Amino acid sequence: EPEVTQTPSHQVTQMGQEVILRCVPISNHLYFYWYRQILGQKVEFLVSFYNNEISEKSEIFDDQFSVERPDGSNFTLKIRSTKLEDSAMYFCASNPGQDLLGGYEQYFGPGTRLTVT
Amino acid sequence: RKEVEQDPGPFNVPEGATVAFNCTYSNSASQSFFWYRQDCRKEPKLLMSVYSSGNEDGRFTAQLNRASQYISLLIRDSKLSDSATYLCVVNGAWGKFQFGAGTQVVVTP
Repeated sequence: EPEVTQTPSHQVTQMGQEVILRCVPISNHLYFYWYRQILGQKVEFLVSFYNNEISEKSEIFDDQFSVERPDGSNFTLKIRSTKLEDSAMYFCASNPGQDLLGGYEQYFGPGTRLTVT
Repeated sequence: RKEVEQDPGPFNVPEGATVAFNCTYSNSASQSFFWYRQDCRKEPKLLMSVYSSGNEDGRFTAQLNRASQYISLLIRDSKLSDSATYLCVVNGAWGKFQFGAGTQVVVTP
């Protein structure tokens, strides 16, 4: 069964450093997402991406964050200058379709645990 | 008011028993609803979509009440492997998932 993969599983970085989190969505999926989950808290939407551009983003997704699909398979999340409060689990998700009603299930990768020290 | 609210639990359920819990949502324009389960420090996994007419998948039954803006999940004949956090998800426009904080279910032998 196809699945979303993410690397690395755990990333430790120092405050102020740049990190890139990588995801390989399911191959025939067209819509890609990043979410984060701070330990003990709920999963929060960061950004959705389609046709090589951002379609929605949350207030969390500020200028420190960017996303890219550099080739036909990878989808990355970059945090330019990490802060302590960026420590969280970051999940990538994908689905094959989407519409204004948002009726499609999303499939999540196993996550990257980011620890900022 | 939170966009998606859930009773955090935990719901302690004897093996074989039935457990049910609800989730309320604030946006009356919401159209799509899902239940995901999340095991400790793992990714959310789709349990089932929730349809207007209600739907069942094995031991799991989901209901949607648009008038009162809540969805429910019922688990029959609980198994030890059902122990998890159940996440209520409301889908906004263009796939912006809004998650509840989750309801913890603990099934005991």
